[in-house]
Amino acid sequence: ETGVTQSPTHLIKTRGQQVTLRCSSQSGHNTVSWYQQALGQGPQFIFQYYREEENGRGNFPPRFSGLQFPNYSSELNVNALELDDSALYLCASSLVGGIPSYEQYFGPGTRLTVT
Amino acid sequence: AQSVSQHNHHVILSEAASLELGCNYSYGGTVNLFWYVQYPGQHLQLLLKYFSGDPLVKGIKGFEAEFIKSKFSFNLRKPSVQWSDTAEYFCAVTPDSNYQLIWGAGTKLIIKP
Repeated sequence: ETGVTQSPTHLIKTRGQQVTLRCSSQSGHNTVSWYQQALGQGPQFIFQYYREEENGRGNFPPRFSGLQFPNYSSELNVNALELDDSALYLCASSLVGGIPSYEQYFGPGTRLTVT
Repeated sequence: AQSVSQHNHHVILSEAASLELGCNYSYGGTVNLFWYVQYPGQHLQLLLKYFSGDPLVKGIKGFEAEFIKSKFSFNLRKPSVQWSDTAEYFCAVTPDSNYQLIWGAGTKLIIKP
């Protein structure tokens, strides 16, 4: 069974630039959730993708967008980067419709630094 | 708005001490409750979960948690901690039929050998 993988592991971008982060879900999972974890805080829900459509969104502006592909992998795109976007971005996969459907498995995260 | 509170941001214990980490949530409906752990240099791992049934749930590595619905609490316990329990612990909640996890700020636990 392959776990959740994310790429890249680290990334440094300049304010105003755009970034794409990638996530491969765990084998057999059909749902991907993205979280932002700022230093010293718990993760904050960005959005979730199920069957290639957004299935819930947290309190993040539209410059945070995503995609899910037919193989259930996913991308998180952030446009017009701001300094406050510096954080660890976590991807979690789960199986919606299975048992247990609420259990999420996390990848190692991508550390984004915006300068 | 729904929220999760973890009462202690930092806890320092000696080996063999008993542990209890507090977690309270604000949501009036049915919830699913989780504790995740992040060991140094590793990614988040599920420690234990509560969906329904017996409110006392057991997880990995000797951890357990008790769901007290009347107190909106889901405290994590371990009778005797080990140095290897040094990690950050997160409580998370998802309202039933909603897969969004709402997280506490985390508790950094340091076990002195």
